[in-house]
Amino acid sequence: SQQGEEDPQALSIQEGENATMNCSYKTSINNLQWYRQNSGRGLVHLILIRSNEREKHSGRLRVTLDTSKKSSSLLITASRAADTASYFCAYNSGNTPLVFGKGTRLSVIA
Amino acid sequence: ETGVTQTPRHLVMGMTNKKSLKCEQHLGHNAMYWYKQSAKKPLELMFVYNFKEQTENNSVPSRFSPECPNSSHLFLHLHTLQPEDSALYLCASSQEFDYDQTYEQYFGPGTRLTVT
Repeated sequence: SQQGEEDPQALSIQEGENATMNCSYKTSINNLQWYRQNSGRGLVHLILIRSNEREKHSGRLRVTLDTSKKSSSLLITASRAADTASYFCAYNSGNTPLVFGKGTRLSVIA
Repeated sequence: ETGVTQTPRHLVMGMTNKKSLKCEQHLGHNAMYWYKQSAKKPLELMFVYNFKEQTENNSVPSRFSPECPNSSHLFLHLHTLQPEDSALYLCASSQEFDYDQTYEQYFGPGTRLTVT
């Protein structure tokens, strides 16, 4: 399977703490994207990082990509209760549509 | 709101029924997608349409039949479904579709389908 794997499957933290989620994949990629999904809703695109980039920031989000380890991480700093959601990585390898991982369920406790 | 709407939001149907899911995007995009999201499984791509042409059919059973009359509308026609088809069906759109996938996808809120 080319499917990505997020780690951990579930994460519970206190408001104000940082949350780190990891994604591993098995093939070479063109780019990797992170999405957020609130319970029972559609996904919302957060950030895209290309294979020749190592780090990208967007507000409180920081994404890193290590193509040698075939892994990416999403860091949410100073988390808020509203950040509670599932987070998915998605990537493509140039000959397939986007492949989504199983996701990390983040709970931020106020 | 993402600019992608789906109707109905909830649907309960029997195995012998025929129903349709509708998706509409107001973003001027040229690519539209159907995904299936089941509990504890990754998001599964079902179909992709690019400029109204079907470019991907991810080995979806024929009881699911997509229709894309124009770039703004996408339908999923359902008939003789099975209970295991119960899931959240998500529609998405992007500016275009290509295998470099540099275009971010905008998702609708989904249709929660229950097959009894």
